[in-house]
Amino acid sequence: KNEVEQSPQNLTAQEGEFITINCSYSVGISALHWLQQHPGGGIVSLFMLSSGKKKHGRLIATINIQEKHSSLHITASHPRDSAVYICATTSGTYKYIFGTGTRLKVLA
Amino acid sequence: ETGVTQSPTHLIKTRGQQVTLRCSSQSGHNTVSWYQQALGQGPQFIFQYYREEENGRGNFPPRFSGLQFPNYSSELNVNALELDDSALYLCASSLGGAAQYFGPGTRLLVL
Repeated sequence: KNEVEQSPQNLTAQEGEFITINCSYSVGISALHWLQQHPGGGIVSLFMLSSGKKKHGRLIATINIQEKHSSLHITASHPRDSAVYICATTSGTYKYIFGTGTRLKVLA
Repeated sequence: ETGVTQSPTHLIKTRGQQVTLRCSSQSGHNTVSWYQQALGQGPQFIFQYYREEENGRGNFPPRFSGLQFPNYSSELNVNALELDDSALYLCASSLGGAAQYFGPGTRLLVL
């Protein structure tokens, strides 16, 4: 069992839909990160969370420390949101432990 | 402020050869981490360097080695390449335990 698990693995949505991607982790962490990876490989950091909720534009990330669970929400989805979204955790050593990613495709 | 850069962008090698990948950290960052991402998988931690010293290592054999230089740029060296080493190699820089900033990656193909 991976330390960081994401669901769903693949997601297809219509433009404008509200999207939720879930992440569960099994060990104590210092922070949880949501990352976006486009075809070609580049990874962009979206959020770094240790508690509560953060919002940036149409993206919202929440974390529940007691339940070891985080969600990434995308409101009013757009085809340019199509990418792989990766959840990763860090603990004292600062290395990232990655989930396997959620491949999102938003259709126009 | 310049971002994280990696070179080369693509590389083809044959089994048994050696390869060196390079990473320039974002300005002011003293920590660099290297990750291997096989096709369709999430990245796997190789090792991390903090102020020129190895600061943690993942489950990779000793033929994967690294260096960090005084200007905090870094190299990843892989000896005796195997077919399974074909992957995207990502480096990420950070200031201590803050969020990591990723480079665009080097795509390595071993034939």
